[in-house]
Amino acid sequence: DIVMTQSPTSMSISVGDRVTMNCKASQNVGSNVDWYQQKTGQSPKLLIYKASNRYTGVPDRFTGSGSGTDFTFTISNMQAEDLAVYYCMQSNSYPWTFGGGTKLELK
Amino acid sequence: QVKLLQSGAALVKPGDSVKMSCKASGYTFTDYIIHWVKQSHGKSLEWIGYINPYSGGTNYNEKFKSKATLTVDKSSSTAYMEFSRLTSEDSAIYYCARGYGWFAYWGQGTLVTVSS
Repeated sequence: DIVMTQSPTSMSISVGDRVTMNCKASQNVGSNVDWYQQKTGQSPKLLIYKASNRYTGVPDRFTGSGSGTDFTFTISNMQAEDLAVYYCMQSNSYPWTFGGGTKLELK
Repeated sequence: QVKLLQSGAALVKPGDSVKMSCKASGYTFTDYIIHWVKQSHGKSLEWIGYINPYSGGTNYNEKFKSKATLTVDKSSSTAYMEFSRLTSEDSAIYYCARGYGWFAYWGQGTLVTVSS
């Protein structure tokens, strides 16, 4: 199975900060990485698909980049409503696998 | 609008089975495959498998192959997942999600608690 290693596991941030998190795949997954946001008590929500494509209605402060084994997710201007856990997922080969998540907390 | 409505929480005994549902609306049910994802309390997400409502074809994560059975009822646009021989390790929230390469739509989740 492909292991998706996310870092950091948590971040203490302030509103207005630029937030960057990473996801490293244990083998080449091309551009087949998606990013999800999960707020407490809610289902995950798709933000970015195929590494860098913003899903419909997602604010442009959310961006994704990368290919192969290294991927980056950035929130350019952190808002209070962005407090959540963020997961990467590879859909290049089965079984599809998720990273362990990065939790954003207020400083 | 697309909706995936999952069945309610279940409290089951160790060794029992549980069958949960995912009712789709707002689109043609047979046009998209349905995936199932497990989230243990406070933990990350695990892909269980998918079913193609059009063909009935399935693909399971080896980890769940002897545990999960995926089916559909096209007449009611509902996907089902049965989890068997439950243990405490199976206590989790189970989500259905729609998509081919990514999950744009998710159900609200079904909480399964395994306890004697």
